[in-house]
Amino acid sequence: DIQMTQSPSTLSASVGDRVTITCRASQSISSWLAWYQQKPGKAPKLLIYKASSLESGVPSRFSGSGSGTEFTLTISSLQPDDFATYYCQQYNSYTWTFGQGTKVEIK
Amino acid sequence: QVQLVQSGAEVKKPGASVKVSCKASGYTFTSYYMHWVRQAPGQGLEWMGIINPSGGSTSYAQKFQGRVTMTRDTSTSTVYMELSSLRSEDTAVYYCARGTTIVGAAYWGQGTLVTVSS
Repeated sequence: DIQMTQSPSTLSASVGDRVTITCRASQSISSWLAWYQQKPGKAPKLLIYKASSLESGVPSRFSGSGSGTEFTLTISSLQPDDFATYYCQQYNSYTWTFGQGTKVEIK
Repeated sequence: QVQLVQSGAEVKKPGASVKVSCKASGYTFTSYYMHWVRQAPGQGLEWMGIINPSGGSTSYAQKFQGRVTMTRDTSTSTVYMELSSLRSEDTAVYYCARGTTIVGAAYWGQGTLVTVSS
């Protein structure tokens, strides 16, 4: 099974900060990686797919990069609505694996 | 528009079974695989398995093998996830999510809270 390791688990930041979250796969997944944002009591929301493609309607301050085993999600200028938990997900096969999540908190 | 509407919250006793439904609309039901993902309170997302609504074939995460059954009803565009031999650790929100090999999961159900308590 493919394992996904996400870091950090918690991140404290201020509005306007540039934020980077890292995700590492235990084996190559090419670019089959997605990023989701989740707020309390809500279903995850797709932000990025295929490592770097922005989902329709998602603000351009979100970007993704990487391939193989190393991936990053960057928020260029953190906004109040961005305080949430973020998950990476591999979908290299018909089975999925999620990272442990990164909670972005207000500093 | 694509919608996935799940059944309501359930409270079950340990050892019982629960069956959660996910009714799809706004697209061709048999054209997209459906996944089930769960989230225990305060925890991360855990993939449970996948069903192909076209032929009904399934694949389950090793952890749930023998306890989970995913089925579908093409006449009502509904997929079901049944989990048996429930224990307190199965208390979680259960989500269905429409999957594609290109995007991952752009559409999710609203979630169904299953509480296992004596």
